[in-house]
Amino acid sequence: AQSVTQPDIHITVSEGASLELRCNYSYGATPYLFWYVQSPGQGLQLLLKYFSGDTLVQGIKGFEAEFKRSQSSFNLRKPSVHWSDAAEYFCAVGARQAGTALIFGKGTTLSVSS
Amino acid sequence: NAGVTQTPKFRVLKTGQSMTLLCAQDMNHEYMYWYRQDPGMGLRLIHYSVGEGTTAKGEVPDGYNVSRLKKQNFLLGLESAAPSQTSVYFCATRRLAGAQETQYFGPGTRLLVL
Repeated sequence: AQSVTQPDIHITVSEGASLELRCNYSYGATPYLFWYVQSPGQGLQLLLKYFSGDTLVQGIKGFEAEFKRSQSSFNLRKPSVHWSDAAEYFCAVGARQAGTALIFGKGTTLSVSS
Repeated sequence: NAGVTQTPKFRVLKTGQSMTLLCAQDMNHEYMYWYRQDPGMGLRLIHYSVGEGTTAKGEVPDGYNVSRLKKQNFLLGLESAAPSQTSVYFCATRRLAGAQETQYFGPGTRLLVL
């Protein structure tokens, strides 16, 4: 079955420290991969996406993610976290076939301490 | 260019009442989706549409109906609301264009069923 797992429900990071959010997926073929961020009471904003090619993708707000096929992972990283990064982060996978919807993980809530 | 809009933004219903949520897009995307978001559950697909006049069930379709009479609009209906349908509802559209594949989200509708 297709699924996305975000093992960490909640993470707290000190401001200025590095961040890594984990995402593992189970999929029949190479999927499209996405990371979205959601601030409280807001909609979802696309941070970055992977379709093919370079397995290290750069996104907005200084985020990057690395696709590792052998580990079925697409972890999100940021070298230095800012207080404004506190939000909920969702990893999602999508098929290359027309019409299929994204499958989302349950999310990781990031808190930033000063 | 408004992107994806949702109406209403917030609604309170009594058990048994009916309502329709409207999703409108001005990007001429073929694919549209309705998700619900609940704490700790991520986003779950309710129904989706791959084009005008077509709809299909997603992961959690029970208690909901949809219609896509016009390409730009995707309606989600609750015929008899239940407290279990208290949630935040997100509409999304998708453009399939190879490497430009992206899913766009609306701002959400918060629904409280008493």
